Amino acid sequence: AQTVTQSQPEMSVQEAETVTLSCTYDTSESNYYLFWYKQPPSRQMILVIRQEAYKQQNATENRFSVNFQKAAKSFSLKISDSQLGDTAMYFCAFMLLSGNTPLVFGKGTRLSVIA
Amino acid sequence: EPEVTQTPSHQVTQMGQEVILRCVPISNHLYFYWYRQILGQKVEFLVSFYNNEISEKSEIFDDQFSVERPDGSNFTLKIRSTKLEDSAMYFCASGLGGNNEKLFFGSGTQLSVL
Repeated sequence: AQTVTQSQPEMSVQEAETVTLSCTYDTSESNYYLFWYKQPPSRQMILVIRQEAYKQQNATENRFSVNFQKAAKSFSLKISDSQLGDTAMYFCAFMLLSGNTPLVFGKGTRLSVIA
Repeated sequence: EPEVTQTPSHQVTQMGQEVILRCVPISNHLYFYWYRQILGQKVEFLVSFYNNEISEKSEIFDDQFSVERPDGSNFTLKIRSTKLEDSAMYFCASGLGGNNEKLFFGSGTQLSVL
């Protein structure tokens, strides 16, 4: 079974600064996806970024980028130029690359961006 | 941009009552899911649905739960006899599947069982 671990329950960052959220996972499979989802106070789940495990290049979406280390089974999220609207819970998630296997979520990291 | 729609946004019910949570997935998506999140905890998988049948379910998804896609557009989750511990945010999600997998979530239904 796959597991996802987020070791930082809470983090804070000053506005305009950079913050990195950690995620590690455990799987014996080699083909999978990794995701970061953002959950603001409205509790909606918003996809931030996705990484295919077969791609060596780290995914980037504007101010969001990942550091994917497949051998170490690590998938951290870097948020650059943090904005107040980035305040949210961030969930790391894993999905096997085979049909409709379910997402497995970590417990989340609560990020507070401070003005 | 297309989105997954869930109704109602909040549902309050008495213990033992039946509830139906409704979802309209994105129209060309093929895979459908229900997840739940008890307050302060992580998001947990309940069930996945493909080709008009359940393809996978978790231990949480016991005989009290059922899913249905009655008319090709709606995707419902029914809880037959609600328990206090069913109180949670329930998320519907849909995806195209294949090698471009990306799940889109609805904004959730907050279920409160009293």
